Amino acid sequence: AQKVTQAQTEISVVEKEDVTLDCVYETRDTTYYLFWYKQPPSGELVFLIRRNSFDEQNEISGRYSWNFQKSTSSFNFTITASQVVDSAVYFCALSEYTGNQFYFGTGTSLTVIP
Amino acid sequence: DTGVSQDPRHKITKRGQNVTFRCDPISEHNRLYWYRQTLGQGPEFLTYFQNEAQLEKSRLLSDRFSAERPKGSFSTLEIQRTEQGDSAMYLCASSHSKNIQYFGAGTRLSVL
Repeated sequence: AQKVTQAQTEISVVEKEDVTLDCVYETRDTTYYLFWYKQPPSGELVFLIRRNSFDEQNEISGRYSWNFQKSTSSFNFTITASQVVDSAVYFCALSEYTGNQFYFGTGTSLTVIP
Repeated sequence: DTGVSQDPRHKITKRGQNVTFRCDPISEHNRLYWYRQTLGQGPEFLTYFQNEAQLEKSRLLSDRFSAERPKGSFSTLEIQRTEQGDSAMYLCASSHSKNIQYFGAGTRLSVL
């Protein structure tokens, strides 16, 4: 069965601190995709990144970076020098290679305090 | 094109009434998905269409729920005889083939 676990329910940091959001997944598939989405208070899920299971190379995009480790089934997300606008709920998701279904974690609510 | 559009944004209804939501996907996207999200949870998959064909349905989708996507363009999700447990955010997403899903802002349903 597919499952995504985000153990951190809520995190608060002071602006400019770095923060890492954890994501652990379970799947029997050898080929799959992993995603991070941001859900601000407005409610719309905003796509951040997609990785496929063959590509374990870490990725950096501005203040965002992602660490994919297949050995520990983890796909963690780090925000460097956090800003108030980063306050949102962040979801990690897993999809089978066909892309027919997404499995979301329960989300981590991040609050960045000015 | 401004992305996935959902209407209405909010719906308040009385228990037992029927409600219908609409989703307009990004125009070139052939796949359309419906999810339900309750407070403090991640989105849960309900159903998905490839063009006009409904290819997969979750067991969460009881017989009171029906979705259509005539002509492979917009989609509607209808809930008949609503129950208080149906109160949730209903999210629509679209994608091109197996690509990234882009989400709409959702329809928040409150059943009184």
